[in-house]
Amino acid sequence: EVQLVESGGGLVRPGGSLRLSCAASGFIFSSYAMSWVRQAPGKGLEWVSSITGGDDTTYYADSVKGRFTISRDNSRNTLYVQMSSLRAEDTAIYYCAKGRYWPSNAFDIWGQGTMVTVSS
Amino acid sequence: QSALTQPASVSGSPGQSITISCTGTSSDIGNYNYVSWYQQHPGKAPKLMIYDVSNRPSGVSNRFSGSKSGNTASLTISGLQAEDEADYYCSSYTSSSTPYVFGTGTEVTVL
Repeated sequence: EVQLVESGGGLVRPGGSLRLSCAASGFIFSSYAMSWVRQAPGKGLEWVSSITGGDDTTYYADSVKGRFTISRDNSRNTLYVQMSSLRAEDTAIYYCAKGRYWPSNAFDIWGQGTMVTVSS
Repeated sequence: QSALTQPASVSGSPGQSITISCTGTSSDIGNYNYVSWYQQHPGKAPKLMIYDVSNRPSGVSNRFSGSKSGNTASLTISGLQAEDEADYYCSSYTSSSTPYVFGTGTEVTVL
């Protein structure tokens, strides 16, 4: 079964750091671009970051550039995002998503999401 | 990169057809055939319904169809059913430094 499972969310103070993980199974992880998409409470979807399959080129939304770092470990079939200098506006459910093919924005598999709350 | 513009809400009766618009610019929808649509039920992860403007993934009902004209993409749901009640988001590839943008989202209500 093709599956993505996120973990690592939680409560963090403003200015703090957190690393999210996304464990993939059921497909050749290294061959596909992977992305993080977030959704603030009661709000819409916001693309956060993507990493291509093959050459691991990375892309970031302006709102997180310089604070978030996306990476992948193909030997562990796992996607990561290291989040630092967190702000209240980063509070959201973070989803990882598999790209159908690059550069199409067809995210055909999504995880269940992990909640990140930035609050003092 | 600003979010694509969608109507906040659209409603219809069972069996009817509805269309959700998604307006962008020549830097995104108008210049690329990479438009996707997602359905999201409350408390659930989004689900891909349409990709590359008008393609349906395996398992998605043929009641869902997509199209594009100029800078505006559209999702049509025909034969509206109670289970179609959800939020819908469009997305496009963009020529900016950030490759993807989502729409503002549309709440579909089945009357």
